[in-house]
Amino acid sequence: DAGVTQSPTHLIKTRGQQVTLRCSPKSGHDTVSWYQQALGQGPQFIFQYYEEEERQRGNFPDRFSGHQFPNYSSELNVNALWLGDSALYLCASSSGLAVYEQYFGPGTRLTVT
Amino acid sequence: DQQVKQNSPSLSVQEGRISILNCDYTNSMFDYFLWYKKYPAEGPTFLISISSIKDKNEDGRFTVFLNKSAKHLSLHIVPSQPGDSAVYFCAASEGFNDYKLSFGAGTTVTVRA
Repeated sequence: DAGVTQSPTHLIKTRGQQVTLRCSPKSGHDTVSWYQQALGQGPQFIFQYYEEEERQRGNFPDRFSGHQFPNYSSELNVNALWLGDSALYLCASSSGLAVYEQYFGPGTRLTVT
Repeated sequence: DQQVKQNSPSLSVQEGRISILNCDYTNSMFDYFLWYKKYPAEGPTFLISISSIKDKNEDGRFTVFLNKSAKHLSLHIVPSQPGDSAVYFCAASEGFNDYKLSFGAGTTVTVRA
């Protein structure tokens, strides 16, 4: 079982650009959540996808959007990148029963210059 | 608005001794609390959780205590082992099936041989 996988591992973008991050959930999981972890802080909830729809959303602007595909994989898109978007982006998957069942991926490190 | 706070950025403890990590929260709607452990280059992994209807939950060397009136929880690790050296995050949600987790900034634990 590969667990939760994320790609790419690292990414460098310029202010104003757009970025897409990808997540493949653990086998058997159908729910995907995305978190942003800035340096020295804990993860912040961005949103959660289930059955290809956004189910919950944290306090993030509309520049952050997502998508879930029929195979349960997910993408996180960020438009008009700011320097402050530099962070580790974590994906977590679950079967939707209880939050403690969430498995996190290793994250994608995004640097905006 | 930091609703979950871990005021100790780091903790150093000798192998075999007790590690005590503290966490405070401000949101009265939180009723489910979790601790995660994170190694470098890996995603957080679930350690232990507690519901607000309990004041203690134990799992092997790990015990979590909850004081609802003080809005305070703590994680005890006894005895501490070198493999426990990691970053520990406290997290809270409004229910065991609410995936909108709020995390603290983390405490880095170093276990000395």
